[in-house]
Amino acid sequence: SQQGEEDPQALSIQEGENATMNCSYKTSINNLQWYRQNSGRGLVHLILIRSNEREKHSGRLRVTLDTSKKSSSLLITASRAADTASYFCATVGYGNNRLAFGKGNQVVVIP
Amino acid sequence: DAGVIQSPRHEVTEMGQEVTLRCKPISGHDYLFWYRQTMMRGLELLIYFNNNVPIDDSGMPEDRFSAKMPNASFSTLKIQPSEPRDSAVYFCASSLGQGNLGGQYFGPGTRLTVT
Repeated sequence: SQQGEEDPQALSIQEGENATMNCSYKTSINNLQWYRQNSGRGLVHLILIRSNEREKHSGRLRVTLDTSKKSSSLLITASRAADTASYFCATVGYGNNRLAFGKGNQVVVIP
Repeated sequence: DAGVIQSPRHEVTEMGQEVTLRCKPISGHDYLFWYRQTMMRGLELLIYFNNNVPIDDSGMPEDRFSAKMPNASFSTLKIQPSEPRDSAVYFCASSLGQGNLGGQYFGPGTRLTVT
């Protein structure tokens, strides 16, 4: 089954810097999504990119998708302390509603 | 809307006891998902429902786990008998429409500890 795999696993940056996370997957997808999880909380949907899209923006978030390399990246610009969280990518295949999650990136933004 | 509601938020039980986790999805959502999250295995999909009907239960670990959705506003995940290896955070999520195009909405989770 397809599964996102984020890289790097942990990232520590200063407030105001940009944070970039990568995700790779193995099989064809319908769409790819990024979620954020704050400590002790449920996951929150951030952004979705469809398989026929290459780039998408939402506020300070920018996601790219390269289906030829089966990879995606999430960029958070001008990071804030409140962005400290774990970030997960998840893929959805065709004909099903399963989200296959990666192991997550821990991002720490230092004020 | 209050979002996805889960209860209890924390559950501590002894090995061998029955555990029932509850979920109320967002009104109008037609898909409901149960996940388990551990440090070792990450986030695993256990089962999901569409219009109250179980569609894929391939992630259910074994016969000790069962899930029901008697109506559009309520679902349960039951573990009987519970074992220490079942200790994890269990999430319920709901979504609208095929393909998760609107994303999934997660509840706050139930932290289960089996001693």
